[in-house]
Amino acid sequence: NAGVTQTPKFQVLKTGQSMTLQCAQDMNHEYMSWYRQDPGMGLRLIHYSVGAGITDQGEVPNGYNVSRSTTEDFPLRLLSAAPSQTSVYFCASSYLSGVSTDTQYFGPGTRLTVL
Amino acid sequence: AQSVTQPDIHITVSEGASLELRCNYSYGATPYLFWYVQSPGQGLQLLLKYFSGDTLVQGIKGFEAEFKRSQSSFNLRKPSVHWSDAAEYFCAVGEESNDYKLSFGAGTTVTVRA
Repeated sequence: NAGVTQTPKFQVLKTGQSMTLQCAQDMNHEYMSWYRQDPGMGLRLIHYSVGAGITDQGEVPNGYNVSRSTTEDFPLRLLSAAPSQTSVYFCASSYLSGVSTDTQYFGPGTRLTVL
Repeated sequence: AQSVTQPDIHITVSEGASLELRCNYSYGATPYLFWYVQSPGQGLQLLLKYFSGDTLVQGIKGFEAEFKRSQSSFNLRKPSVHWSDAAEYFCAVGEESNDYKLSFGAGTTVTVRA
């Protein structure tokens, strides 16, 4: 198993540009989520999904869209990038829905810079 | 809503010495508690977790943590650190009434000196 994969590893955008961060897992996990990591603030939940076709907002959803058309993929879209979205983005997944029932597996991260 | 505090931003420890990382949480009911480790340039890896039962939990890589309800703490310990333990460590809490969200602390960076 490849586990949780994220692409790209690094990305530089100009303010106002759009892009999609890709996340895929090959473990047949139901639960997937996106976090952003900023210095001194730990990880903050952006959006999550408990299965194909089901998504919900986390702590910091503004400026981000998600969809879950398949079990494997959970892309994160930035429609109009802003400098405040400069961060490291992590995707995570777990087999059973919910944080209490199974270990979450994290991808290697995408480092995004918005100029 | 739950919250997590890691009071120490950075800790330096000598190789072979013991390590203790502090974590305090704010939550009314019994929390679900986790410790994750992030090596440079890597994603997060689960070290251990506490849901219920024995308040001393063992994890991978020789780590253990103790849940103390009276102190709202879940401190991580290792008796003898190795140079490979240099990393950033995150405490996280999950909420029983909201099973889909984890709240993370700001992290503690551990430096190991020879």
